[in-house]
Amino acid sequence: GQSLEQPSEVTAVEGAIVQINCTYQTSGFYGLSWYQQHDGGAPTFLSYNGLDGLEETGRFSSFLSRSDSYGYLLLQELQMKDSASYFCAVRDRYGGSQGNLIFGKGTKLSVKP
Amino acid sequence: EPEVTQTPSHQVTQMGQEVILRCVPISNHLYFYWYRQILGQKVEFLVSFYNNEISEKSEIFDDQFSVERPDGSNFTLKIRSTKLEDSAMYFCASSEVTSGGSYEQYFGPGTRLTVT
Repeated sequence: GQSLEQPSEVTAVEGAIVQINCTYQTSGFYGLSWYQQHDGGAPTFLSYNGLDGLEETGRFSSFLSRSDSYGYLLLQELQMKDSASYFCAVRDRYGGSQGNLIFGKGTKLSVKP
Repeated sequence: EPEVTQTPSHQVTQMGQEVILRCVPISNHLYFYWYRQILGQKVEFLVSFYNNEISEKSEIFDDQFSVERPDGSNFTLKIRSTKLEDSAMYFCASSEVTSGGSYEQYFGPGTRLTVT
């Protein structure tokens, strides 16, 4: 079956660094994405890793190791507004459909003052 | 900045009724998707649509569901004979055509469907 595992909750303080891990087991793999979702809001795209290594976008970085079926999202200089749920998602097909996203269950990040 | 829009924001319906959820994808996008999220749970893929036909669908997307692109801008999800367990937030998303590699799905704000 298809599964993505990530911690259900993480708590950190403002200014800190937090890492959210994701391990996946899918029938196909064409990239790992991260989405942020505030309560009651829509998922918004944060980052994508198609190849091994680190991708950096401002305060957010994402890492992928395909051999380990593992990735993480690193959030630096945490701000209160970063309190949200973070989902890893695997694109499991390539081609005309662009592949649907298989989402993990999400990690609820709480940032404390 | 272009965005995906969805209407209505909240739909309440009685069990057994039909509902149509509407979406306007970003204008230059060619791939469209429907996802649902039951309260407190993960986002689940329902269906993807390209070139006026379904590309892929999940096990959730059974005969009760259908999608349509009735004109050049709208993309709809129809649920026939709704059930209590259909209560969820339904997200529409769209993405550009890419030659592969990085791509991003843009999600609409969602329609909260409540079946009573």
